[in-house]
Amino acid sequence: DTGVSQNPRHKITKRGQNVTFRCDPISEHNRLYWYRQTLGQGPEFLTYFQNEAQLEKSRLLSDRFSAERPKGSFSTLEIQRTEQGDSAMYLCASSPGMRGRTKNIQYFGAGTRLSVL
Amino acid sequence: RKEVEQDPGPFNVPEGATVAFNCTYSNSASQSFFWYRQDCRKEPKLLMSVYSSGNEDGRFTAQLNRASQYISLLIRDSKLSDSATYLCVVNVNFNKFYFGSGTKLNVKP
Repeated sequence: DTGVSQNPRHKITKRGQNVTFRCDPISEHNRLYWYRQTLGQGPEFLTYFQNEAQLEKSRLLSDRFSAERPKGSFSTLEIQRTEQGDSAMYLCASSPGMRGRTKNIQYFGAGTRLSVL
Repeated sequence: RKEVEQDPGPFNVPEGATVAFNCTYSNSASQSFFWYRQDCRKEPKLLMSVYSSGNEDGRFTAQLNRASQYISLLIRDSKLSDSATYLCVVNVNFNKFYFGSGTKLNVKP
């Protein structure tokens, strides 16, 4: 499978615990995005990487959230001291970032569904 | 004001009907535009990009009106399999993508 892969698919945690999600983008895609989606809403942009550089962060990304893409390949999203309001689907997407009309097309992973009890 | 606004629907239409969705965006500097489709509890998947000249892909036609800052999607001859949520997506400065809340379509037999 050469699509975007996210792990785990589901995560149940207690309030106050830390959680980490992983995203493996399509190989050779240099752009990687994290989104959060709640029921009845569209995905909300969280952060963007071009290769290993984190170039954009949303105001939604509080101090408890951190993302990395250390070698410009896979990425991790960590949430510290989880709160019930963090319960959502966390989606990762990658795009080629090359020239042409396809450069901004995003391919999404299946997401990690987080439930904070 | 939200960056991207869509009518949430649902649009309930019979098979074979033609249905149109509109989407408005607030940032006049927006650079690229897309329609994504999302099935229940699945990830969004690209339906089509939206170009200034308008574009068509089979039963689907997308239009962009930069002056009025809206995007439309027309689906002709609706199929049961078209039932899904359609997300309007706007790209600003290549780094940020804004999604609408989605328009839900139910195609009935």
